[in-house]
Amino acid sequence: EVQLLESGGGLIQPGGSLRLSCAASGFTFGSFAMSWVRQAPGQGLEWVSAISGSGGHTFYAASVKGRFSISRDNSQNTLYLQMNSLRAGDTATYYCAKGTCTSTACLNFDQWGQGTLVTVSS
Amino acid sequence: DIQMTQSPSSLSASVGDRVTITCQARQDVSNHLNWYQQKPGRAPKLLIYDVSNLQTGVPSRFSGSGSGTDFTFTISSLQPEDIATYYCQQYDDLVSFGPGTKVHLK
Repeated sequence: EVQLLESGGGLIQPGGSLRLSCAASGFTFGSFAMSWVRQAPGQGLEWVSAISGSGGHTFYAASVKGRFSISRDNSQNTLYLQMNSLRAGDTATYYCAKGTCTSTACLNFDQWGQGTLVTVSS
Repeated sequence: DIQMTQSPSSLSASVGDRVTITCQARQDVSNHLNWYQQKPGRAPKLLIYDVSNLQTGVPSRFSGSGSGTDFTFTISSLQPEDIATYYCQQYDDLVSFGPGTKVHLK
């Protein structure tokens, strides 16, 4: 059974940094692209970032480019999102989501974690 | 990024009704269009991928159609467990989601 378990969320002051993790199991982690998708309270879904199965290709939404960094450790089956210079507008539940092939050309998200809440507030 | 629109933003329907949601992309996304269902407090769930392909385990009352910039999602006979918000998503150029359609029971 595929499982994705996010962690690392919490309350952080504006300007601060946080690193989210997503522990994956039940599939060959390094064979699939992964993404982070966020959802502000009461709002819709916003794609944040994607990374290829090898980790060699990364992509970001304009709203986080230059502040967030996606990475993965295929030996540990873990996806990361390093978030710097956090703003109130980054407050959201952050989901990790699995693509359906190794390339970032197939970002059909067939599995999702339960999400981790990040609150940016003073 | 490619802007996605959905209509309606919300709808009320009765059990057994046919429900249709439309999604429009600002530019051609080929067949790189998916549909997700999200229930309150839960993660989204992939229902339809590549316009019209039913994800494994998804009931056949769900369907999708369209091409290029205009897409349609249909529930042929609404069930109580279908009450949720539905999102379209393109992945032709990075990723973007539509704003969602909330389905209520009448």
